[in-house]
Amino acid sequence: DAKTTQPTSMDCAEGRAANLPCNHSTISGNEYVYWYRQIHSQGPQYIIHGLKNNETNEMASLIITEDRKSSTLILPHATLRDTAVYYCIVRVPISNFGNEKLTFGTGTRLTIIP
Amino acid sequence: SAVISQKPSRDICQRGTSLTIQCQVDSQVTMMFWYRQQPGQSLTLIATANQGSEATYESGFVIDKFPISRPNLTFSTLTVSNMSPEDSSIYLCSVRHSSYGYTFGSGTRLTVV
Repeated sequence: DAKTTQPTSMDCAEGRAANLPCNHSTISGNEYVYWYRQIHSQGPQYIIHGLKNNETNEMASLIITEDRKSSTLILPHATLRDTAVYYCIVRVPISNFGNEKLTFGTGTRLTIIP
Repeated sequence: SAVISQKPSRDICQRGTSLTIQCQVDSQVTMMFWYRQQPGQSLTLIATANQGSEATYESGFVIDKFPISRPNLTFSTLTVSNMSPEDSSIYLCSVRHSSYGYTFGSGTRLTVV
């Protein structure tokens, strides 16, 4: 399985852009990168996903390097409600079903500072 | 996206007993997943449950300890058997509801005493 590595924790000032890095150097060509976040005592919440192109939605932007070995999640204007654990995940195939599963890394605890 | 109802939301159980956790989805889904999140840790996949077939367990997890049922396309159960304090965790159900979409339930917080 492809493995992701992320900083254990990060701080960001409220109103600034939060940039969360992720390394996935062993990713295969057809494996997607997903980002989820988990606010205390809740289930993980989907943020964004991508394969090789940069992606943007109403929550965030995802920048994937050309060699696909790393990516950065950008929250453009962080608010206090963005304080959470952010997981960078690689979707890997389940060989016997022809489907895929999400394998979580250790995550980054992002704290937004007022 | 799919909406997941997971029951119970929390429970306190005696060691040696078993607990069955239910996961109900508001739409038909092919793939369902069960995860464990130990205190302060990330999520670890226990097994993948497809309707009509045996669950596929990840390394370190066995059917005798975590039997799973998947009777139809909207429902699954996970049983934590012969519990010990080390089984105290949050157990989460997840579904794949589209080509790229995965939704998670809010979890079952289990404490074994």
